[in-house]
Amino acid sequence: GDSVTQMEGPVTLSEEAFLTINCTYTATGYPSLFWYVQYPGEGLQLLLKATKADDKGSNKGFEATYRKETTSFHLEKGSVQVSDSAVYFCALSDRGGYQKVTFGTGTKLQVIP
Amino acid sequence: NAGVTQTPKFQVLKTGQSMTLQCAQDMNHNSMYWYRQDPGMGLRLIYYSASEGTTDKGEVPNGYNVSRLNKREFSLRLESAAPSQTSVYFCASKGTGDQPQHFGDGTRLSIL
Repeated sequence: GDSVTQMEGPVTLSEEAFLTINCTYTATGYPSLFWYVQYPGEGLQLLLKATKADDKGSNKGFEATYRKETTSFHLEKGSVQVSDSAVYFCALSDRGGYQKVTFGTGTKLQVIP
Repeated sequence: NAGVTQTPKFQVLKTGQSMTLQCAQDMNHNSMYWYRQDPGMGLRLIYYSASEGTTDKGEVPNGYNVSRLNKREFSLRLESAAPSQTSVYFCASKGTGDQPQHFGDGTRLSIL
């Protein structure tokens, strides 16, 4: 079946540091890829998405590129802020009739001033 | 914009009690999902419904039942609650194709 593997956390960075959170996937078909963010006490929110190979999703300074050859979708941000502290989830969605979504285990990011 | 609405937000139960978690979406989505979130384990799919009238088991269905009442509503029932079901439960809905999921704010459930 489909699976998503993302780097273990927690990740602690100083403000303005560069962020990378690794995500790799296995899928039987040609999935869409997503990054979601969860702030404390809230549900998940879509951060960005990419639907085909070499697409780059971007939002709020975060970026991720759909790499089919390496089955990866790493999340990056050039300069993190304290307000970016949250849990980040990588996910894939199959395109079949069941619309099943598979999540990684999440990576907690803490940004310190 | 309501999106996905879950009720209740918090609940404390005693072992053996039953309860139903409610979820409703107003985006005309076909697919709806129930997840549980536990520390260090990410999101685990309990049940999902690809369309009105259909439901399928996810990764951790034991101890739960679901009802897709209509296109808007998808409820999760615990028939006999156990302490292992203490968790945060999230409902989500999704449109077709490459549309993302939309999540509710969660139900924090404690079973004593």
